[in-house]
Amino acid sequence: RKEVEQDPGPFNVPEGATVAFNCTYSNSASQSFFWYRQDCRKEPKLLMSVYSSGNEDGRFTAQLNRASQYISLLIRDSKLSDSATYLCVALLTGKLIFGQGTTLQVKP
Amino acid sequence: DAEITQSPRHKITETGRQVTLACHQTWNHNNMFWYRQDLGHGLRLIHYSYGVQDTNKGEVSDGYSVSRSNTEDLPLTLESAASSQTSVYFCASSESRPGSTDTQYFGPGTRLTVL
Repeated sequence: RKEVEQDPGPFNVPEGATVAFNCTYSNSASQSFFWYRQDCRKEPKLLMSVYSSGNEDGRFTAQLNRASQYISLLIRDSKLSDSATYLCVALLTGKLIFGQGTTLQVKP
Repeated sequence: DAEITQSPRHKITETGRQVTLACHQTWNHNNMFWYRQDLGHGLRLIHYSYGVQDTNKGEVSDGYSVSRSNTEDLPLTLESAASSQTSVYFCASSESRPGSTDTQYFGPGTRLTVL
């Protein structure tokens, strides 16, 4: 079983749609969590950290449920520029553990 | 501006050759990491370093080595390249201080093909 699991998608949504990505992690000792964004053939970039209380950054909302070992990312009012792969990441003993990524395609 | 660079950006080599991929960061970060990214596997950690003269093996370290002689550089060496090492390689760095978020900043990647 992978330590961080995501549905690879692709998710194909129209502009303006709301889309949610889910992620599960297997090691309860994981300390912190992040969502990274990766555009095609480019390097991953931090999108946002994920806190137990939930956090929001503009159209993006991230949630963490430690009891269920579950992380989510909600994107509201999708833009064409949101098309990318979203990587769910756990921090464990100082090292980042990456999920496989979920691909989002926003269509006009 | 501070940054992290990798060179070369693209490399084609032959099986059995030694290859070194360079990574250089100007943030003065203590922590540096090497990952490979393959379809179906996401990013996997190869080696990492928490400071000068410190190196550690990651999840997929076989066939790779690193050295850390200064803060800025962590070169990755493939001792004898194999076709299974064809991949995209990313270097990353992060701060190491109390209260830091451990955010890793990635270089642009090196696309390596082993024929």
